[in-house]
Amino acid sequence: GQQLNQSPQSMFIQEGEDVSMNCTSSSIFNTWLWYKQDPGEGPVLLIALYKAGELTSNGRLTAQFGITRKDSFLNISASIPSDVGIYFCAGQLRLNSGGSNYKLTFGKGTLLTVNP
Amino acid sequence: NAGVTQTPKFQVLKTGQSMTLQCAQDMNHNSMYWYRQDPGMGLRLIYYSASEGTTDKGEVPNGYNVSRLNKREFSLRLESAAPSQTSVYFCASSFRLVRVGDTQYFGPGTRLTVL
Repeated sequence: GQQLNQSPQSMFIQEGEDVSMNCTSSSIFNTWLWYKQDPGEGPVLLIALYKAGELTSNGRLTAQFGITRKDSFLNISASIPSDVGIYFCAGQLRLNSGGSNYKLTFGKGTLLTVNP
Repeated sequence: NAGVTQTPKFQVLKTGQSMTLQCAQDMNHNSMYWYRQDPGMGLRLIYYSASEGTTDKGEVPNGYNVSRLNKREFSLRLESAAPSQTSVYFCASSFRLVRVGDTQYFGPGTRLTVL
């Protein structure tokens, strides 16, 4: 099946630093999504991107949908301790107007640790 | 408004036992999903239901069955549990399957161990 390569696998940074992570794929997607997961909880959507080239911000988070539709990045500026968690990218593709042939592929996640 | 709820939160099974994971949403969403999450693997889609009355296979459907009982509820059944099904299972819902602005909301997860 489709694979998403998410990097880095983990990051250990100091509070206040900026963070960047990205996902790449050999296949195109219609939508890119970025989620954050806290320990023991389900993922929570941070940013959704719907058009190639789109750049979207949500507070200190900025994400872009790559122009080739095969990649996306997420930046976090001025990190704080509560940014700790696992960040997942996900590519979404719907191949027909019905319910079948729907694909949502997740990356393996980036574990972010912020040192106060 | 509870969002997406899942029961049970934890479960231990012996190989060969069966069980059903329950999921319900109160957001009037049309589409519902079941994922499993394994260490180092991210989330993988098991089955989804685009709307009430329809279900389709996702990436890893083998060993599972689903039932979209009504618009609110979507259950996942393991007929004969295997150790390879030890995982954390997440249910999710969205207003529609894939549309601008329609995002998925996840439940808190069910941690299943198969001995």
